[in-house]
Amino acid sequence: QSVLTQPPSASGTPGQRVTISCSGSSSNIGSNTVNWYQQLPGTAPNLLIYSNDQRPSGVPDRFSGSKSGTSASLAISGLQSEDEAEYYCAARDDSLSGYVVFGGGTKLTVL
Amino acid sequence: EVQLVESGGGLVQPGGSLRLSCAASGFTFSSYSMNWVRQAPGKGLEWISYISRSSTTIYYADSVKGRFTISRDNVKNSLYLQMNSLRAEDTAVYYCARNGGYCSSISCYTYWGQGILVTVSS
Repeated sequence: QSVLTQPPSASGTPGQRVTISCSGSSSNIGSNTVNWYQQLPGTAPNLLIYSNDQRPSGVPDRFSGSKSGTSASLAISGLQSEDEAEYYCAARDDSLSGYVVFGGGTKLTVL
Repeated sequence: EVQLVESGGGLVQPGGSLRLSCAASGFTFSSYSMNWVRQAPGKGLEWISYISRSSTTIYYADSVKGRFTISRDNVKNSLYLQMNSLRAEDTAVYYCARNGGYCSSISCYTYWGQGILVTVSS
């Protein structure tokens, strides 16, 4: 059971817009920034969005992030086949039991 | 080019020990905090340990506290993870991951190694 809650799966057709949610609490998302990672099959994760809504250099602007209260979202517009991957949210957690928490991951399928 | 290369993984019996290494290149290693993140087969990511630039601050996840020890050598540009009292549930791909650069959060990993598999089984 992950501290951050993500839907296990999402899907869309090429060109569509999909969103992936990440729900937390006041000790993590509510008081810290959220980062998103993309993990293509068989590869290491890669930073996709940092500080809630910032894109690293090289990440297409089709990817965007947002945060409100204790939840965050990743949006992918103009869906492409190469976007098929696992997506994870992560945040610092200020509670006694943890420092960094991840969501359980969302498998995105491009139909 | 930033590179992080893990080594030292393999098969170990329950209760055994293993030491992972992560060789860093392409950046000033001593200027960045580092982490270990693992991924059990078919499962999600789990952060397990953090070490600050000068090793003055170290954090562990509850799941490995008391069994794993993170360390670094800023002269050898290397990060380490000493894993003792290994359990079947420690079976995972272990990634070293670098903080910093354009984002300051402890949960922001700008570079990752390719990962190394650790299998705990009799």
